[in-house]
Amino acid sequence: EPEVTQTPSHQVTQMGQEVILRCVPISNHLYFYWYRQILGQKVEFLVSFYNNEISEKSEIFDDQFSVERPDGSNFTLKIRSTKLEDSAMYFCASSEDFPGGSGANVLTFGAGSRLTVL
Amino acid sequence: GQQLNQSPQSMFIQEGEDVSMNCTSSSIFNTWLWYKQDPGEGPVLLIALYKAGELTSNGRLTAQFGITRKDSFLNISASIPSDVGIYFCAGLIQGAQKLVFGQGTRLTINP
Repeated sequence: EPEVTQTPSHQVTQMGQEVILRCVPISNHLYFYWYRQILGQKVEFLVSFYNNEISEKSEIFDDQFSVERPDGSNFTLKIRSTKLEDSAMYFCASSEDFPGGSGANVLTFGAGSRLTVL
Repeated sequence: GQQLNQSPQSMFIQEGEDVSMNCTSSSIFNTWLWYKQDPGEGPVLLIALYKAGELTSNGRLTAQFGITRKDSFLNISASIPSDVGIYFCAGLIQGAQKLVFGQGTRLTINP
């Protein structure tokens, strides 16, 4: 079954350092997303990306965050200057079409990248 | 912003028991989804609901999309050890791309 793959599975970084989390979405999917989950809390939306541009973002997704699709397969999340409160699991997801309405539009999530900021 | 209130927060049951959990909101959602998350993994889709009143089953799991479009429930019948995990409801508002997640229900099963 097709899956969303994420690397690294765990990254430890010092506060103020830049971090890039990588994702390979399912190959025929057109919509890409990043969500995060602080330990013990609910999953929160960060950003959605379609047609090489951000289509929707949350208040969490401030100027420290950026996303990019550098080639035909990867989708990255960059945090420019990490803060302690950025420590969380970051999930990449993708969907074949605009979310909602039918099965093809349901998000498939990756296993996540755990970010620990010291 | 939109919020989903999921209950209960945790459940401790005996193997073989049935489980019921639900999500409510003051907002209307056009799609309701139920995900399961195992430790160290991402959410895995269990059931998707697209129409108010829809009742859908997936094996021992049954979920319903509330008539008011502001709530949904998930039932698990005859629980087994592999049902252990955290269950999340998630809702999608018409025209939006972001999923709004509930706080999760942690299910623990005593053998």
